[in-house]
Amino acid sequence: GQQVMQIPQYQHVQEGEDFTTYCNSSTTLSNIQWYKQRPGGHPVFLIQLVKSGEVKKQKRLTFQFGEAKKNSSLHITATQTTDVGTYFCAGQNNAGKSTFGDGTTLTVKP
Amino acid sequence: KAGVTQTPRYLIKTRGQQVTLSCSPISGHRSVSWYQQTPGQGLQFLFEYFSETQRNKGNFPGRFSGRQFSNSRSEMNVSTLELGDSALYLCASSAITDTQYFGPGTRLTVL
Repeated sequence: GQQVMQIPQYQHVQEGEDFTTYCNSSTTLSNIQWYKQRPGGHPVFLIQLVKSGEVKKQKRLTFQFGEAKKNSSLHITATQTTDVGTYFCAGQNNAGKSTFGDGTTLTVKP
Repeated sequence: KAGVTQTPRYLIKTRGQQVTLSCSPISGHRSVSWYQQTPGQGLQFLFEYFSETQRNKGNFPGRFSGRQFSNSRSEMNVSTLELGDSALYLCASSAITDTQYFGPGTRLTVL
């Protein structure tokens, strides 16, 4: 079945440093979505990437979808304490089934 | 629009009991998915319902079941509870195959 691997599992950074999480699927995806879950909260949708090679930006966040539509990354520039949480990718196949990665938990030291 | 609501928010049960969790999706959303979240296992997909039909199913034992009603509200049932079933159960609604909007979850504790 479809598998989505996400690395790293944990990332500790100093405030102001950059952060990147990577997502790799075992199969070609129809689209990929990114979610953020704050401690004690529930996952909240950030963005969806659909096109091969697509790059989208949201302020300090940059999302990329690989050319083969099997991998993706989320990069945060100059992290802030408000960025703490767990970032999940979710790969969706042509049948509409989504598979979540295990998430990357980001902690930011002020 | 109101968001996804889940009831109850917290639940404590004992081994062997059964439990029913409820999810009301965002108005107009016809797809409802259920996930189990535990600290060591991340988000595990349980099943997805669309227009009262189960469309996708994860790798969970038959003790986990669900259904969806004509108004798109969904219920999830777990029978013969085990200690390992303690988790946060999240429901997510979406319009066809689209962005998933998660509810606050039901935290189930099995003693």
